[in-house]
Amino acid sequence: EVQLVESGGALVQPGGSLTLSCVASGFTFSGYWMHWVRQSPGKGLVWVSRINTDGTTTTYADSVKGRFTISRDNVKNTLYVQMNSLRVDDTAIYYCVTENYYGTGSLDDWGQGTLVTVSS
Amino acid sequence: ENVLTQSPGTLSLSPGETATLSCRASQRVSSMHLAWYQQRPGQAPRLLIYSASSRATGIPDRFSGSGSETDFTLTISRLEPEDFAVYYCQQYGTSPLYSFGQGTKVEIK
Repeated sequence: EVQLVESGGALVQPGGSLTLSCVASGFTFSGYWMHWVRQSPGKGLVWVSRINTDGTTTTYADSVKGRFTISRDNVKNTLYVQMNSLRVDDTAIYYCVTENYYGTGSLDDWGQGTLVTVSS
Repeated sequence: ENVLTQSPGTLSLSPGETATLSCRASQRVSSMHLAWYQQRPGQAPRLLIYSASSRATGIPDRFSGSGSETDFTLTISRLEPEDFAVYYCQQYGTSPLYSFGQGTKVEIK
């Protein structure tokens, strides 16, 4: 069974930094592209970032480009996102997500999410 | 920018009825790259449909997807109590690389 467990969410002041982690199990982590997707309270889903299987290719939404860095450790089966220069509108639940192995672009398995609150 | 617009915003139906949800793209989307998700209150989203019409593992056959190019539909037949939730469509491949519609809430009438 695929399990994705996020951690690291916290209350942080505007301009601050935070790193989220996602520990994966139940599948061959190193074989899958991975994503972060976020959801502000009461709002819809917003794609944040993705990383390829070996960590050499990363892509970001314009809203986080230059502030967030996605990375992975295939030995530890862990996905990360380092978030700098946090803004109030970064407040959201952050989900760790697997991408479909066969290239459909669908986001197949989701963690339960970790809450990041940016507030003074 | 390819914008996905879902309609209606809210659908009020009774158990046993059929829900028809629309997702319209402002630019053409490959059918291979259109997916639907369900999100129940307090839960993470769950993949229902990928490649416009293929059901994900474990999804009941009362869920079906159709459409092409700019118009896609999710149909939920014989609504069960657990089907009352928010549904999102999602595309991959056009700018922005991944994007979601704003969601349709299916509520109990």
